Amino acid sequence: GAGVSQSPSNKVTEKGKDVELRCDPISGHTALYWYRQSLGQGLEFLIYFQGNSAPDKSGLPSDRFSAERTGGSVSTLTIQRTQQEDSAVYLCASSPTGFFTDTQYFGPGTRLTVL
Amino acid sequence: GDSVTQMEGPVTLSEEAFLTINCTYTATGYPSLFWYVQYPGEGLQLLLKATKADDKGSNKGFEATYRKETTSFHLEKGSVQVSDSAVYFCALSQGGSEKLVFGKGTKLTVNP
Repeated sequence: GAGVSQSPSNKVTEKGKDVELRCDPISGHTALYWYRQSLGQGLEFLIYFQGNSAPDKSGLPSDRFSAERTGGSVSTLTIQRTQQEDSAVYLCASSPTGFFTDTQYFGPGTRLTVL
Repeated sequence: GDSVTQMEGPVTLSEEAFLTINCTYTATGYPSLFWYVQYPGEGLQLLLKATKADDKGSNKGFEATYRKETTSFHLEKGSVQVSDSAVYFCALSQGGSEKLVFGKGTKLTVNP
């Protein structure tokens, strides 16, 4: 079946602009996660959704970052007033229930470059 | 907080060599442990996992055993192939905090 999809695959923006990144999880998966992968910081957790609610937002690096999930499916990660340090690959993952033994299935990522 | 430490490499081996990538963790409870792999130009995918002590995860000739006494989950393969060249990430997930906590990754290159 279809895996996790993300769009766009690449995004180049200017410093100070807002960007929106989209994630379509595997159908039926209740849990959705956002991570960030950068050379300096490795793989970092950003936010976790269970259904439409976000019980764990602890990884969001600043109030410029926000995310929502609608209909228990698609999620959007928004970065306002982008900075150069936001440049990274943003990964979305989903899992069937969100239980800690679940496998998380990752999308291909969105590469964000802030000029 | 929870953390994962893995040998960072890079690791370069010849085809058919034995592979070990060390991974140790720090966690307050009883986490699930994972190895994810990222092949060149591809996304992260699960290689294997173990969800309780003494469990052995295995896939594609790779194995790792969940050792609670040494808080380790070392990845091994008896005979690597060129196609195993990738970046390998050790990770844990804890009940009550279902996010994955990753190690920094180990880049493996296998030469023919």
